[in-house]
Amino acid sequence: QVQLVQSGAEVKKPGASVKVSCKASGYTFTGYYMHWVRQAPGQGLEWMGWINPNNGHTEYAQKFQGRVTMTRDRSITTAYMEVSSLTSDDTAVYYCALGGAYDYYGMDVWGQGTTVIVSS
Amino acid sequence: DIVMTQTPLSLSVTPGQPASISCKSSQSLLHSDGKTYLYWYLQKPGQSPQLLIHEGSNRFSGVPHRFSGSGSGTDFTLKISRVEAEDVGVYYCMQSIQLVTFGGGTKVEI
Repeated sequence: QVQLVQSGAEVKKPGASVKVSCKASGYTFTGYYMHWVRQAPGQGLEWMGWINPNNGHTEYAQKFQGRVTMTRDRSITTAYMEVSSLTSDDTAVYYCALGGAYDYYGMDVWGQGTTVIVSS
Repeated sequence: DIVMTQTPLSLSVTPGQPASISCKSSQSLLHSDGKTYLYWYLQKPGQSPQLLIHEGSNRFSGVPHRFSGSGSGTDFTLKISRVEAEDVGVYYCMQSIQLVTFGGGTKVEI
């Protein structure tokens, strides 16, 4: 079955970077877009962007442009999301979520989430 | 950016009774392919969001029949015909026709 397994929790200092991984299995990795969504404590869902695992093309929410980088390694069917210049506002649970064959398809399967805490 | 507005913010329901959540988008979610790219998710306490409804009115695999989605263009509704205790959590609508945006969420409690 389709599974997205994310890396473990991280604690980072302000100004640092964090890279979260999302290991995909159970489907053709290069055939479907991968989205990243975050959720700050007690807040709603916030879309960060997507990556096309086939060609590596990305699209980021304007809020995250210049500070977020999404990549993938097709050989190990893993997607990555890196956030730089962290502040306390980046403390959140970060999710990868499997999209469709086109960028305008929504997400059906979600990873378990990765907690990132930014604290001095 | 397309803005998604959900109402109400919270809903207290009695098991066995119906419930309804509204979602309005600032632009039409009807694509040139004829599909409407509106999704409904439920996030149960401590869990990842789970897909309930895709393309406005299609139940995702394994989703109970008591959940239904309706609407078109910019106005959408999620209905639960008879709420069960396991339905508690936060419900989100989401559009994906132009990037992705989520509604603010509706907290459903018993």
